[in-house]
Amino acid sequence: NAGVTQTPKFRVLKTGQSMTLLCAQDMNHEYMYWYRQDPGMGLRLIHYSVGEGTTAKGEVPDGYNVSRLKKQNFLLGLESAAPSQTSVYFCASSQGHEQYFGPGTRLTVT
Amino acid sequence: KQEVTQIPAALSVPEGENLVLNCSFTDSAIYNLQWFRQDPGKGLTSLLLIQSSQREQTSGRLNASLDKSSGRSTLYIAASQPGDSATYLCAVRHNSGNQFYFGTGTSLTVIP
Repeated sequence: NAGVTQTPKFRVLKTGQSMTLLCAQDMNHEYMYWYRQDPGMGLRLIHYSVGEGTTAKGEVPDGYNVSRLKKQNFLLGLESAAPSQTSVYFCASSQGHEQYFGPGTRLTVT
Repeated sequence: KQEVTQIPAALSVPEGENLVLNCSFTDSAIYNLQWFRQDPGKGLTSLLLIQSSQREQTSGRLNASLDKSSGRSTLYIAASQPGDSATYLCAVRHNSGNQFYFGTGTSLTVIP
């Protein structure tokens, strides 16, 4: 039982490049979330999903897209990376009560 | 929009002390509140979850309380140890919707 895993752990992008972050959970949770964590600002919700095939915007969705084609996977895409998207990205899953977090992806956009 | 505040932002205590971390929220219509621990460069580890109908939860040396009417929760750590050094975050989930709102955390240092 791996819990919540994230791929990759680190990535450096140039401005304008695209990439996809993968989150996978093996707990059969309905809800999945993508957050970003920046110094002094806490965790902010980017997008979330309440079930397979559904997505919804969170607090800071601009510049990101998501997909939940399979219940266990939640993908976060950056179509044209900007330096303002330099951050640590966390994925979480929940069955409605407690949240479980992945180890994070550290992304730097130069 | 729910605002979650954690004060102080940083706290330093000698080993063995009992301490209290604070979390306040602006909207009392919450579904639950969760306390997390985050070590540097790591993800969040769940410590305690309090449902809105509960007043407190305990796990080992940790005790979390919830007062919905005043919009406050506290995390009590007994007999602190250097291994307790980390950032502690609280998050609340509103009654309606599926979003969690996080505080910015309290960075705790326990000095041997």
